[in-house]
Amino acid sequence: AQSVSQHNHHVILSEAASLELGCNYSYGGTVNLFWYVQYPGQHLQLLLKYFSGDPLVKGIKGFEAEFIKSKFSFNLRKPSVQWSDTAEYFCAVKSGNTGKLIFGQGTTLQVKP
Amino acid sequence: GAVVSQHPSRVICKSGTSVKIECRSLDFQATTMFWYRQFPKQSLMLMATSNEGSKATYEQGVEKDKFLINHASLTLSTLTVTSAHPEDSSFYICSASRLAGTSYNEQFFGPGTRLTVL
Repeated sequence: AQSVSQHNHHVILSEAASLELGCNYSYGGTVNLFWYVQYPGQHLQLLLKYFSGDPLVKGIKGFEAEFIKSKFSFNLRKPSVQWSDTAEYFCAVKSGNTGKLIFGQGTTLQVKP
Repeated sequence: GAVVSQHPSRVICKSGTSVKIECRSLDFQATTMFWYRQFPKQSLMLMATSNEGSKATYEQGVEKDKFLINHASLTLSTLTVTSAHPEDSSFYICSASRLAGTSYNEQFFGPGTRLTVL
């Protein structure tokens, strides 16, 4: 069965620290990969997505992610986090066959000012 | 653009009653809508996929008779939790996409509905 695993459940950083959130998926076929963010009290928003082409994708708010096919990974990065980045982050995979989104467990990011 | 709303945002009901949650795409036509359930501090679990004008496709383990989904128009899908029980208390989130669910497209998420069953 397809699955998505996020390694970090709760991350605490100080402002200006660098961020990397891990995401691995299990699916051998064509996938679309996504990172979503859920700010406190708000709905899910798309940060970035990978469909094809350059494996290094840039999203909103300075986030980027790298698709490494050989490692089945799609890690999210940001060079310098801000207090406003405090939120829940979800990695998701959309398989080509089903079209459904499979979400990871989520990572709570807390940025201390 | 691509705004999805849900109503109500919160609902508290007594055990045994039914609750209807609406999901609307406000500025686009959604051929496919998805319903998710999110437990506290956990991920979103897909419950069902609904395409306009056809029956919903439920995920394994989701009771069709318990969670009735109707997608009667291109801008509205409803989820009815029938004979709700305390274990149905959860955060229900819908999403909508412009194209058929198997094509590459983006899902736009609603703000969610917090259901509490007493």
